[in-house]
Amino acid sequence: GQSLEQPSEVTAVEGAIVQINCTYQTSGFYGLSWYQQHDGGAPTFLSYNALDGLEETGRFSSFLSRSDSYGYLLLQELQMKDSASYFCAVFTGGGNKLTFGTGTQLKVEL
Amino acid sequence: EAGVTQFPSHSVIEKGQTVTLRCDPISGHDNLYWYRRVMGKEIKFLLHFVKESKQDESGMPNNRFLAERTGGTYSTLKVQPAELEDSGVYFCASSPTGTANTEAFFGQGTRLTVV
Repeated sequence: GQSLEQPSEVTAVEGAIVQINCTYQTSGFYGLSWYQQHDGGAPTFLSYNALDGLEETGRFSSFLSRSDSYGYLLLQELQMKDSASYFCAVFTGGGNKLTFGTGTQLKVEL
Repeated sequence: EAGVTQFPSHSVIEKGQTVTLRCDPISGHDNLYWYRRVMGKEIKFLLHFVKESKQDESGMPNNRFLAERTGGTYSTLKVQPAELEDSGVYFCASSPTGTANTEAFFGQGTRLTVV
């Protein structure tokens, strides 16, 4: 089966940088994704890494190391609106089944 | 282009009753997923359709849950009879197949409360 582990909670101050880690054990790995979910909202896609290395999209960056089965989401210049749950997720099963991690609740404080 | 739509957005039913949730995926997306999030915890996989076929239903809690996707378009998830522990937010998502499958698109969810 698949398992993806994340820290349950992270707290940081506005303007800071925070890193949310994800370690995974899967069969047939195709890529690591990150999703953001605000309370009461739908999960929204942030990034996808198929290859090792860092992908940057504005204030958010995502990193993958396939050899270590590890990735992280880096959020820079934190804003209050970044307070949300963040999930890593993997496509397996021929590349079409999406399984989510345990989720990290990010709290941004003044 | 319309996104993934779910109906209803909220449902409050009594224990023992039946509820049917509906999901309309993005047109052309062969993959359709159902997930549940309970009390702010993890997004738990329920099942995965490829077109009208159930590819993986390993996450379905028990036989009170029945999902269908007739014709490979919209999908329904029926809970019968509902129990208190079925409460949660049920999300549907869709994605294309093949090398373009890097992102799943989620609906706004159905918040189910069983009382």
